[in-house]
Formats: sequence, C-alpha cells, structure tokens
Amino acid sequence: QKEVEQNSGPLSVPEGAIASLNCTYSDRGSQSFFWYRQYSGKSPELIMFIYSNGDKEDGRFTAQLNKASQYVSLLIRDSQPSDSATYLCARTGDYKLSFGAGTTVTVRA
Amino acid sequence: ETGVTQTPRHLVMGMTNKKSLKCEQHLGHNAMYWYKQSAKKPLELMFVYSLEERVENNSVPSRFSPECPNSSHLFLHLHTLQPEDSALYLCASSQGARPVDTQYFGPGTRLTVL
Repeated sequence: QKEVEQNSGPLSVPEGAIASLNCTYSDRGSQSFFWYRQYSGKSPELIMFIYSNGDKEDGRFTAQLNKASQYVSLLIRDSQPSDSATYLCARTGDYKLSFGAGTTVTVRA
Repeated sequence: ETGVTQTPRHLVMGMTNKKSLKCEQHLGHNAMYWYKQSAKKPLELMFVYSLEERVENNSVPSRFSPECPNSSHLFLHLHTLQPEDSALYLCASSQGARPVDTQYFGPGTRLTVL
C-alpha cells in the first residue's frame, strides 16, 4: 500500500469554479500534512500545511483534514488559469516527508 | 541570494563521469535534504542531514554520496551512474527535522545520464 495516494488526474475545471483535490494516507501516526504546487519543470512550492482536524483557510485555498478517515483535501476557490499545475500531497510523522504522485489540475479559460 | 539555490540547473554526464551537485540555503535552517523526482513517480527522499549529521540514508546506491560541510551547504557527489538515475534532483531545507518544520525546495538539477 502506498503511503500517500492521490488521483493523478488530470482534473479539468472551468475558470472561476472550485477545484477539489483529495489525498489519503496509510500511516495513522502521521502528524503533519502539506500541499505543494509544482509547475511543469519547476520545483515544488508550499501552499499550505495542516496539523489539526478540520478546515484551514488561506486566501482561495482551504485544506481539510480528517484523521479518523485518514483523508486530507485541498479546495481551490475561484480557480484561475495560473492555478494549472500538479498538486502534491505530503505527510510526515517525523522528519521524513512522504509524497503522493500528484494530481494535475488544468483550469480552462 | 535568497531561499534555496542549486547548481548546476542542468547536467548531462556519461556513466563513467564524476560530478557533484551543490545546494546552498540562505534561510538559517538546520536541516537539509536530497530528493529524487522521476517522471510520474512521487518524490523519493534520499538523504537527510540535521545539524550537519546524516540522519537518514534511504537505501540509496553507493554511487550517490552526500556531503554536508556546514548547515548552509549540501553536496551530492555522483559517480558511475546509470541511465535510470536520470531525474530531477531536488534539495530542500527546514528549520529543524521535526514534523512541524516545513521543507522549502530549491529549483532542482535536471540530470541526464547517457
């Protein structure tokens, strides 16, 4: 079983819509969760992190964590063409960050 | 320079060559990491250094040899690589090596082994 699983996509959404990305993880000892955005040919850049159950909002982004279900999601509101990228979900229980393979999002103008 | 920098950005080498990748962080962090990213695969953690001491060697072949001379610099020495080692090699740093410490990535070195 993979440590972190994401749908590879592509997820295509129209401009202005909400993009919803899902991630599940296998290790119940996971403590911290991160969402990174990676543009083609570039390195990952941090969007958000979340430690506690519930929602965390930052601008157009909302991360949701449900530790009982071992599920973390990312919502992108008012999607823009510049949001087109691969989104990486990651978890850690110590210093070792385990990544999913990423979900590719395409925002249609 | 700000953030995490990596040189070179692109590298092409033969299987018999010896080369080194360099990473420098300007964030005052104490932990540094090497990752490998191959096409369509998750990022793979290779090495972790915390306070210049290697704390993780994630079953990486000996043809990859890391070096951390101080908390700001990290090297990855390469020798007798194989074509399947072609990938994007990413360096990251964090304040400490704890679950709450966010890792920040450099731009990466795109390595091609012929």
